[in-house]
Amino acid sequence: EAGVTQFPSHSVIEKGQTVTLRCDPISGHDNLYWYRRVMGKEIKFLLHFVKESKQDESGMPNNRFLAERTGGTYSTLKVQPAELEDSGVYFCASSQRTGGSDTQYFGPGTRLTVL
Amino acid sequence: QKEVEQDPGPLSVPEGAIVSLNCTYSNSAFQYFMWYRQYSRKGPELLMYTYSSGNKEDGRFTAQVDKSSKYISLFIRDSQPSDSATYLCAMSAATGNQFYFGTGTSLTVIP
Repeated sequence: EAGVTQFPSHSVIEKGQTVTLRCDPISGHDNLYWYRRVMGKEIKFLLHFVKESKQDESGMPNNRFLAERTGGTYSTLKVQPAELEDSGVYFCASSQRTGGSDTQYFGPGTRLTVL
Repeated sequence: QKEVEQDPGPLSVPEGAIVSLNCTYSNSAFQYFMWYRQYSRKGPELLMYTYSSGNKEDGRFTAQVDKSSKYISLFIRDSQPSDSATYLCAMSAATGNQFYFGTGTSLTVIP
């Protein structure tokens, strides 16, 4: 069974540019999560989809970040325009069931560098 | 105050040693406690999952949760060089899905 995949693995852009990150969850997982790790800090929650609906987006830092999950399959996270403080590793995770007891499986992450 | 506190290390031990990794937390609503292992340039990989207080053992790994002290631990017995990685604790409340992570402890097991 394929795990969570993310693309690209690494992106380097200049301040003010736009970047779109993609996540493909494990097949059959309705729940999809985005997290971010800024250097030296802990991994922090950004948002949670259940199928195509946003269940919780309390962690999104500001309106420069837009997440979508059309059709309830893969998800994209767009940053527009990117700022220096957006640099970090963006992780995607997926799980089968909603609820704190469900296991979240993480992808390898996308390392974003904003210059 | 951070939701979850974890000593970042680094921790360096000889092969065969017992390793103890710990996290403390402040939110009494946390019910689910996880330990993830992360190798360099890889995503976090789930190692152990426990619900509420108690112990759970899986091979060389033992997870302990003490909710009264808001303290969780991961013990690694007979540590191996392949255990060298960053270990992350994570936790969530019963009704929420958001995971709260510690900053991770970097472990090196020396052959």
